[in-house]
Amino acid sequence: EAGVAQSPRYKIIEKRQSVAFWCNPISGHATLYWYQQILGQGPKLLIQFQNNGVVDDSQLPKDRFSAERLKGVDSTLKIQPAKLEDSAVYLCASSLGGTGSSYEQYFGPGTRLTVT
Amino acid sequence: AQSVAQPEDQVNVAEGNPLTVKCTYSVSGNPYLFWYVQYPNRGLQFLLKYITGDNLVKGSYGFEAEFNKSQTSFHLKKPSALVSDSALYFCAVRPFSGGYNKLIFGAGTRLAVHP
Repeated sequence: EAGVAQSPRYKIIEKRQSVAFWCNPISGHATLYWYQQILGQGPKLLIQFQNNGVVDDSQLPKDRFSAERLKGVDSTLKIQPAKLEDSAVYLCASSLGGTGSSYEQYFGPGTRLTVT
Repeated sequence: AQSVAQPEDQVNVAEGNPLTVKCTYSVSGNPYLFWYVQYPNRGLQFLLKYITGDNLVKGSYGFEAEFNKSQTSFHLKKPSALVSDSALYFCAVRPFSGGYNKLIFGAGTRLAVHP
């Protein structure tokens, strides 16, 4: 079974530029998550999708971050414009269920973003 | 506020010795608890979870964890450490809000197993 795929693996941009990350979850997984992992910290949930609807985006900086999950499969996370403090690893995860479930989340390899 | 604490930044253990990586949590209700491991340049891998039932849960690669409700702890253990266990370990909690499958992670503990 293929795992969660993410691209690109690495990205370096200058501040105020824009960047987009792509995620393809495990086939059949209804729930998709985007996490931000700053060096030395644990992952922090940015946004959670249940199929193609957003169920939690309370920690997403909506003035610069946006995400979509068209057709309930692939997802993209965009940052525009980027700030230095956005330098982090962006992890995508998926799980079979979302609301009211205890399904474990499966993580992709992440995209390491460096903003200079 | 809901939180997870991993009090040790790093744990050092000799190969063959038992290891413990500590985790305490602060959430309301009865949470679901998880351990994940992260190897360099790779995503997090699920190790084990506690939902309900026996306080000692067994997971992948010989790891186990003990849930202690009175101490609000969920320590990760392994009877005999391997050099290949060296990695970054994260404890996570899903608050029992009846709602979404949101995980709150600790800051991580780096495990170093020496030959």
